[in-house]
Amino acid sequence: QKEVEQDPGPLSVPEGAIVSLNCTYSNSAFQYFMWYRQYSRKGPELLMYTYSSGNKEDGRFTAQVDKSSKYISLFIRDSQPSDSATYLCAMSASPGNQFYFGTGTSLTVIP
Amino acid sequence: KAGVTQTPRYLIKTRGQQVTLSCSPISGHRSVSWYQQTPGQGLQFLFEYFSETQRNKGNFPGRFSGRQFSNSRSEMNVSTLELGDSALYLCASSLDGPAQYFGPGTRLLVL
Repeated sequence: QKEVEQDPGPLSVPEGAIVSLNCTYSNSAFQYFMWYRQYSRKGPELLMYTYSSGNKEDGRFTAQVDKSSKYISLFIRDSQPSDSATYLCAMSASPGNQFYFGTGTSLTVIP
Repeated sequence: KAGVTQTPRYLIKTRGQQVTLSCSPISGHRSVSWYQQTPGQGLQFLFEYFSETQRNKGNFPGRFSGRQFSNSRSEMNVSTLELGDSALYLCASSLDGPAQYFGPGTRLLVL
């Protein structure tokens, strides 16, 4: 079983829709949870990170962590065509430990 | 502040050759991690260096090695290249917190 599972999609939504991206994990020691956005032929770009359980909001993006279910989500409100990219989740037990990445979900926002 | 830089950006090699990739982290960052990204496997962790010491290592064969210099710049070496080593190699730096910042990657093609 992989440490982190992520639905690869592809996901296609109309502009303005709310997008929900999810990852599940198996290691209960994970405490740090990150979301990255990767455009084609570019390196991943850090969107936001959270520590332990709870929600974190940054503009149109909201990250949620449910440690009891080992489930994390990223919500994108009022999605824009510029949000079209691959979204990767990542997690770690501590900053000094290895980071584990999901395989990414490909998102297309149609104008 | 300048971002993470990687050189070269593109590389074509033949089987059996060796290759060295270079990564310059964000100024002040002491942690440098290397990842291999392929369409089928996603982002796979190679190793992480902190203050010139390898702190974490992924499940890659010994043909993959790295080092970090006193100025935090890092190099990754792959010896005896195989066709399956064709991938995007990404370097990420951090201040030793959970936020990792990625470079644009080096795209390696092995023929």
